[in-house]
Amino acid sequence: ETGVTQSPTHLIKTRGQQVTLRCSSQSGHNTVSWYQQALGQGPQFIFQYYREEENGRGNFPPRFSGLQFPNYSSELNVNALELDDSALYLCASGWSRIHYEQYFGPGTRLTVT
Amino acid sequence: AQKVTQAQTEISVVEKEDVTLDCVYETRDTTYYLFWYKQPPSGELVFLIRRNSFDEQNEISGRYSWNFQKSTSSFNFTITASQVVDSAVYFCALSGFMDSNYQLIWGAGTKLIIKP
Repeated sequence: ETGVTQSPTHLIKTRGQQVTLRCSSQSGHNTVSWYQQALGQGPQFIFQYYREEENGRGNFPPRFSGLQFPNYSSELNVNALELDDSALYLCASGWSRIHYEQYFGPGTRLTVT
Repeated sequence: AQKVTQAQTEISVVEKEDVTLDCVYETRDTTYYLFWYKQPPSGELVFLIRRNSFDEQNEISGRYSWNFQKSTSSFNFTITASQVVDSAVYFCALSGFMDSNYQLIWGAGTKLIIKP
């Protein structure tokens, strides 16, 4: 059984640019959630996808968008990057909705300069 | 309000000591779930336990145990005979309705340092 994988591991972007982060869910899972984790803080929920549709969204602006594909892999897109977007971005997959445990990938460390 | 508070920012103990990590939550939901996750230095969050609001039985898994008390809105985590490999940041989380949908609401985490 393959776990959750994310790419790239690290990324450096300039303010105003756009970025796409990728996630491959664990086999058999049908939901994927994305979280932003700033240094020294807990994860903040960005959104969740269930069967390719957005199933919930946290307090993040529309420039954070996502996709889930038929094979349950997922993308997180962030437009017009700001310095405050610098964080660890975590992808998690699971079954059904958020009441069940989620399995996390190693994260993508994004630095915006 | 939906909130998770982990008041202990950092705890440092010597190996083999017992240590308890505190978690206090606030929720207006009658049905909810509580979780503990471990984040080692590698960064990947690891699921430890899930507990629903109707099950107040304490749980033990090896050296780990959890004490859920609805009366005090607490879900504390104890590591018995700690080991250096237990060093990590530990997060408590609550599934609750916020920002118009259900989501996991996380505490700020407790950094646990186990010294040899």
